Amino acid sequence: DQQVKQNSPSLSVQEGRISILNCDYTNSMFDYFLWYKKYPAEGPTFLISISSIKDKNEDGRFTVFLNKSAKHLSLHIVPSQPGDSAVYFCAAMNNNNDMRFGAGTRLTVKP
Amino acid sequence: GAGVSQSPSNKVTEKGKDVELRCDPISGHTALYWYRQSLGQGLEFLIYFQGNSAPDKSGLPSDRFSAERTGGSVSTLTIQRTQQEDSAVYLCASSLEQGRIQYFGAGTRLSVL
Repeated sequence: DQQVKQNSPSLSVQEGRISILNCDYTNSMFDYFLWYKKYPAEGPTFLISISSIKDKNEDGRFTVFLNKSAKHLSLHIVPSQPGDSAVYFCAAMNNNNDMRFGAGTRLTVKP
Repeated sequence: GAGVSQSPSNKVTEKGKDVELRCDPISGHTALYWYRQSLGQGLEFLIYFQGNSAPDKSGLPSDRFSAERTGGSVSTLTIQRTQQEDSAVYLCASSLEQGRIQYFGAGTRLSVL
């Protein structure tokens, strides 16, 4: 069941520009959302999260926006750096800590 | 260790054989999760252990898959009579009891020939 969708399998941006990764979900019981970053041959690492009671959370170059009415969230990275090149997974949790992941978006930041 | 440890990192097996994958969670983390990532796919939830409670097995794809967690720490995921479609990266994660952030191991890449 595709409860969390990342419709863009890949994204390429120039160094210094903004990267915007998008995620949509269908289950209104999700109340916590996370972004994970994954390098090849490594496990996903936690990047940033947001509770459903907020619409924005910022941590340095990374900002997550949540639009509950649209069941949509996005991750903004600005300025993008070559080291940000990785696969980014969106994840959503309900209050039982059941987590569902999107299929991931491969971000490439070109120098 | 400081992080989630999984072994082996790679496993090649023949169709029909059984395999065991091991996960050693972060010390003090009571919750443990298994996921798998097939080629080009997202992470698919398999099973969730929380303390001494009965595990949530709702994600296990067939009865060939089982998992145990001994002593509330190390977990073993067993796949019996492996099939080629079982080929994937199997990821383990752990979290604090009330934690919502899961910390992942590097995974076991399983190849069934």
